[in-house]
Amino acid sequence: GAVVSQHPSRVICKSGTSVKIECRSLDFQATTMFWYRQFPKQSLMLMATSNEGSKATYEQGVEKDKFLINHASLTLSTLTVTSAHPEDSSFYICSATTGQETQYFGPGTRLLVL
Amino acid sequence: QKEVEQDPGPLSVPEGAIVSLNCTYSNSAFQYFMWYRQYSRKGPELLMYTYSSGNKEDGRFTAQVDKSSKYISLFIRDSQPSDSATYLCAMRGYGNNRLAFGKGNQVVVIP
Repeated sequence: GAVVSQHPSRVICKSGTSVKIECRSLDFQATTMFWYRQFPKQSLMLMATSNEGSKATYEQGVEKDKFLINHASLTLSTLTVTSAHPEDSSFYICSATTGQETQYFGPGTRLLVL
Repeated sequence: QKEVEQDPGPLSVPEGAIVSLNCTYSNSAFQYFMWYRQYSRKGPELLMYTYSSGNKEDGRFTAQVDKSSKYISLFIRDSQPSDSATYLCAMRGYGNNRLAFGKGNQVVVIP
């Protein structure tokens, strides 16, 4: 099956710093990548959709200046959490699709902001 | 009414039992249906992907879709403790990459 990786798997940072999370499709070219956030015992919450070479589309209530998304190539998308605060602590998951099938998810990144 | 309804459980079964999970949906535009398995602190893993009414089998897993009733099911035969996880149903419409998810159903298989 299709493989999606995320890096780092876990990050702890101080309040006010920025954190970058990478999402890569390892064996396929992803026309679209998605970024989700998941709180404990809850389902996935879509944050934004990004297509290679174009601006990301953010869901209502998600601050685009706080969660910067760059989809530089067909295999790489990055999410930068700027000026992170404790309330940004969460599990961030990316997914990727060729557009022909379903979404394949990365293993997730656990962010803890102190 | 939410687009996708899924009873969050939890559901506890003894090892070897059949696990039965289901989701209902309201949007008749949904054409593609998925089941994902998510272990604690991990990303969702695709288990089954179907796009037509009927049954699809893969090993111990059977996915069932009834578009007329807007109802999908996942059956796990001969359940194992390693099947203990949260199972998410998801679906999308034709030409739409965005997925609508159920809340997820936590399953515990007791040895």
